[in-house]
Amino acid sequence: ETGVTQSPTHLIKTRGQQVTLRCSSQSGHNTVSWYQQALGQGPQFIFQYYREEENGRGNFPPRFSGLQFPNYSSELNVNALELDDSALYLCASSANGVGRSSEQYFGPGTRLTVT
Amino acid sequence: AQKITQTQPGMFVQEKEAVTLDCTYDTSDQSYGLFWYKQPSSGEMIFLIYQGSYDEQNATEGRYSLNFQKARKSANLVISASQLGDSAMYFCAMRPYSGGYQKVTFGIGTKLQVIP
Repeated sequence: ETGVTQSPTHLIKTRGQQVTLRCSSQSGHNTVSWYQQALGQGPQFIFQYYREEENGRGNFPPRFSGLQFPNYSSELNVNALELDDSALYLCASSANGVGRSSEQYFGPGTRLTVT
Repeated sequence: AQKITQTQPGMFVQEKEAVTLDCTYDTSDQSYGLFWYKQPSSGEMIFLIYQGSYDEQNATEGRYSLNFQKARKSANLVISASQLGDSAMYFCAMRPYSGGYQKVTFGIGTKLQVIP
């Protein structure tokens, strides 16, 4: 196990609702990245937080937003849910750096179903 | 922009045999890292092996080795002595060391099934 935890494990929401997913990073890691993995696809980068600031974003609309807290845990918020938001959401923590130290440790994911 | 290509949707291998999973990448960055992850049906991404673009030797981690051919932009994963527990999805990924943040680009994955 990596020490990265995510909650909840599974979630069912209705189109148009809002959802908050949570992630606790591994001890000593100051960077958290969020990924969306649709069925049969590889993970797609949503955004990254470093020391409580968003410092990188993928091709996701503004209704995907996040927070990072002083203890480096993080939240992913999605507003106005759409059916295509149904996916596995993965959180990954890392120590900011290059080389082997940039390895990301992933949590078990939250499976979101939008009906 | 970075791109990862994995052309093998599914692979079968006999238990105890070796298997190679293909990965090619495209990037204009000179400095980058290449990663392989394993994703069992439970969903968690498990780190397997890392190769830096300036590393001259191919990386090895136990039964995993990475066949890195920089000129061909190829980073194939070799699993030796396959075990039943190796059955899973395998993802190749890369991260450029420019831009100040760790955007990791993943391929579409290869499903490996180990046959007893």
